[in-house]
Amino acid sequence: GESVGLHLPTLSVQEGDNSIINCAYSNSASDYFIWYKQESGKGPQFIIDIRSNMDKRQGQRVTVLLNKTVKHLSLQIAATQPGDSAVYFCAEKVNTNAGKSTFGDGTTLTVKP
Amino acid sequence: NAGVTQTPKFRVLKTGQSMTLLCAQDMNHEYMYWYRQDPGMGLRLIHYSVGEGTTAKGEVPDGYNVSRLKKQNFLLGLESAAPSQTSVYFCASSLLGRNQPQHFGDGTRLSIL
Repeated sequence: GESVGLHLPTLSVQEGDNSIINCAYSNSASDYFIWYKQESGKGPQFIIDIRSNMDKRQGQRVTVLLNKTVKHLSLQIAATQPGDSAVYFCAEKVNTNAGKSTFGDGTTLTVKP
Repeated sequence: NAGVTQTPKFRVLKTGQSMTLLCAQDMNHEYMYWYRQDPGMGLRLIHYSVGEGTTAKGEVPDGYNVSRLKKQNFLLGLESAAPSQTSVYFCASSLLGRNQPQHFGDGTRLSIL
């Protein structure tokens, strides 16, 4: 069956460093990928997405890389700040599948001052 | 815009009691979803709806029922609550079409004693 997994459940970085959060997926039919950020006591919030016909997409301080050959997705956060501390989820979606997404278990990012 | 609003935010039930969780969205989204999130885990899909008057089962539907009588509302019901249903419940919505992320509410924290 399809699954989406993150390589590490926790990641701790120093403020100002760059963070890289990884995600592996197994459904080769997935054609849309999303990263969400979940702060304590809140719902997941959309950060950035990427379509399967792309291998890189940049936002403000965030970059998502997609390697379809090895079914790997990563989220890079530049100059990590204390406000970036949260749980990060990757999600994959097959566009024909009624909008449903499959979520990974999440990586908890802790930013040390 | 309020986005996705969930009520109540917290609830404690006794085993065997019933209750309904309400989700309302003001973005005119066609798709709506109910997830549960357990400690250290990702989001698991309970039920979803692709439009007013339609619902479908997700990954973990047992013990839950849903209704979508109005496009903006999606109700999740627990007919006879069990301790295994203690969880945080999230509602989400998305637009119809390709490459659409989901928008989440801030969750309902439900404890069943």
